[in-house]
Amino acid sequence: DGGITQSPKYLFRKEGQNVTLSCEQNLNHDAMYWYRQDPGQGLRLIYYSQIVNDFQKGDIAEGYSVSREKKESFPLTVTSAQKNPTAFYLCASSIDLSREQYFGPGTRLTVT
Amino acid sequence: KQEVTQIPAALSVPEGENLVLNCSFTDSAIYNLQWFRQDPGKGLTSLLLIQSSQREQTSGRLNASLDKSSGRSTLYIAASQPGDSATYLCAVDVGGADGLTFGKGTHLIIQP
Repeated sequence: DGGITQSPKYLFRKEGQNVTLSCEQNLNHDAMYWYRQDPGQGLRLIYYSQIVNDFQKGDIAEGYSVSREKKESFPLTVTSAQKNPTAFYLCASSIDLSREQYFGPGTRLTVT
Repeated sequence: KQEVTQIPAALSVPEGENLVLNCSFTDSAIYNLQWFRQDPGKGLTSLLLIQSSQREQTSGRLNASLDKSSGRSTLYIAASQPGDSATYLCAVDVGGADGLTFGKGTHLIIQP
């Protein structure tokens, strides 16, 4: 089955700890994205990657980091510098920029 | 900066009714517009993608229209069913680096 997987589905961390969210796709898409969703707000772009070994900041990149060492994988690290990390995180991919985006099932991160 | 507004924020209708969800955007220079469905606690499912050169797209009981000059899109759902209950999100792509800009969604309930 082709698609996007995110793991884990639920993640709990103590304040001050870094945590890495996984995103894998087997759609052979070049572009990948990370969004954050908070209650009552639209999704907001954290980072995107147009191609392997390249990534760019989105609207709310502060406190986050990413890597794109493989076409299939685009992990997101939520660092201790992120002031409000508790949220629902969604990964997406598309053939390239400005094409239809396909989303993964999301990871709900709770930091206490 | 592009802003996307969805009206109404919530809608509850009896099963079988036809209904219209509205989406407006402030900058008409878009590459495409996507409508998504999101079930509680889940990722986004792409419903329809309208390229900037198109006026509408249809998939089954769903029809989406786009009027770029007025900055509006509508999602028409025919013969609604309880399984259509979900949050519907509209997103526009202005091209290149910015990813998708999302509205806050319309929470739809179809009463059996």
